[in-house]
Amino acid sequence: RKEVEQDPGPFNVPEGATVAFNCTYSNSASQSFFWYRQDCRKEPKLLMSVYSSGNEDGRFTAQLNRASQYISLLIRDSKLSDSATYLCVVNIWDYGQNFVFGPGTRLSVLP
Amino acid sequence: ETGVTQTPRHLVMGMTNKKSLKCEQHLGHNAMYWYKQSAKKPLELMFVYSLEERVENNSVPSRFSPECPNSSHLFLHLHTLQPEDSALYLCASSQDTLAGTDTQYFGPGTRLTVL
Repeated sequence: RKEVEQDPGPFNVPEGATVAFNCTYSNSASQSFFWYRQDCRKEPKLLMSVYSSGNEDGRFTAQLNRASQYISLLIRDSKLSDSATYLCVVNIWDYGQNFVFGPGTRLSVLP
Repeated sequence: ETGVTQTPRHLVMGMTNKKSLKCEQHLGHNAMYWYKQSAKKPLELMFVYSLEERVENNSVPSRFSPECPNSSHLFLHLHTLQPEDSALYLCASSQDTLAGTDTQYFGPGTRLTVL
């Protein structure tokens, strides 16, 4: 089983839609969690950190369920500019940093 | 954004060439990373440096050689590469707080093509 798994996608949604991505992780030593977005041929950029039970930033809401080892990202009122690949990242703390990236979920927001 | 810079942005090299990738971070961080991203694959961690000491090497071939002269600079020396090494090479940095709550920030990457 891969350490971090994500919805395979791609997700094609109309502007204004609400879309949710799921991510599961296998290592219970995971300490912190992140969502990054990556545009085509660009570097990953931090979208949100998820440290406790979840947090919200404008149209974006991240949820964490430690018992189920599950993280989600909800995007409300999708914009064309939200089109990107969304990467789930888990920091597994084991006497050192170990950032593990999921394979990403591709989102296309259509006009 | 200029927190983490990488040069060159694009590199084409032959299999017998020797080249180096450079990364510089201006965030005051003490940990730096090299990742490889091949087409349609997840990011693969190559090397981690914390306080200028290498702490992880994920079985990367010896044709890749990292160097971290100080906490702000990281190099990846390349020699006798193979065409399958063509990829986007990303540098990242974080503040290693020994608490497992750090956040990584990425440079723009070097797109490498090996002919």
